Amino acid sequence: DTGVSQDPRHKITKRGQNVTFRCDPISEHNRLYWYRQTLGQGPEFLTYFQNEAQLEKSRLLSDRFSAERPKGSFSTLEIQRTEQGDSAMYLCASSLAMGQGAQGAFFGQGTRLTVV
Amino acid sequence: GNSVTQMEGPVTLSEEAFLTINCTYTATGYPSLFWYVQYPGEGLQLLLKATKADDKGSNKGFEATYRKETTSFHLEKGSVQVSDSAVYFCALSDGNNRLAFGKGNQVVVIP
Repeated sequence: DTGVSQDPRHKITKRGQNVTFRCDPISEHNRLYWYRQTLGQGPEFLTYFQNEAQLEKSRLLSDRFSAERPKGSFSTLEIQRTEQGDSAMYLCASSLAMGQGAQGAFFGQGTRLTVV
Repeated sequence: GNSVTQMEGPVTLSEEAFLTINCTYTATGYPSLFWYVQYPGEGLQLLLKATKADDKGSNKGFEATYRKETTSFHLEKGSVQVSDSAVYFCALSDGNNRLAFGKGNQVVVIP
């Protein structure tokens, strides 16, 4: 296992289109997190899963955003009807059930979304 | 709410100079504190952590001490190398499973 992987690394889409990103966490990690990072800012929390259950969603996660983690393995983040303000780096992270407070989370390289 | 504040602006320094990046936080309870590093073209990597007051986290010559009385977690390195050029993020987690990050500091080390 080489760490958290995300696909695609880059995505350019036209405004109004739907996009979907995938994250494969470290295999033994049962917690998975999504963050968004805009230029010059630190990552902002979007949502997290423990196994297949989505336990928390940030108010940043509008109705156009949906995340799933079927079978508690990989996760997908879908953005419907994309807007230019959605342009950002979307980061996935995973950790063990002890949570981030004990060990910190391991991050993927991110998916950079550009909405034109 | 929980928040992390990092000193403004990029940091440019010469090789072998001493590096300090300031980080202060606001949190309820007793958060865990982290420094993450992002090298060019790569993802965020955990650099070091401290989980309780007076703990010192250290890794790769970097150190940071959890100071509850000043709500700070400043990052230091005694002698930087060109390979330390990266963006450094301070972060906290208070057990609610979310990491709150600072804005990050770009560090540029000149040979």
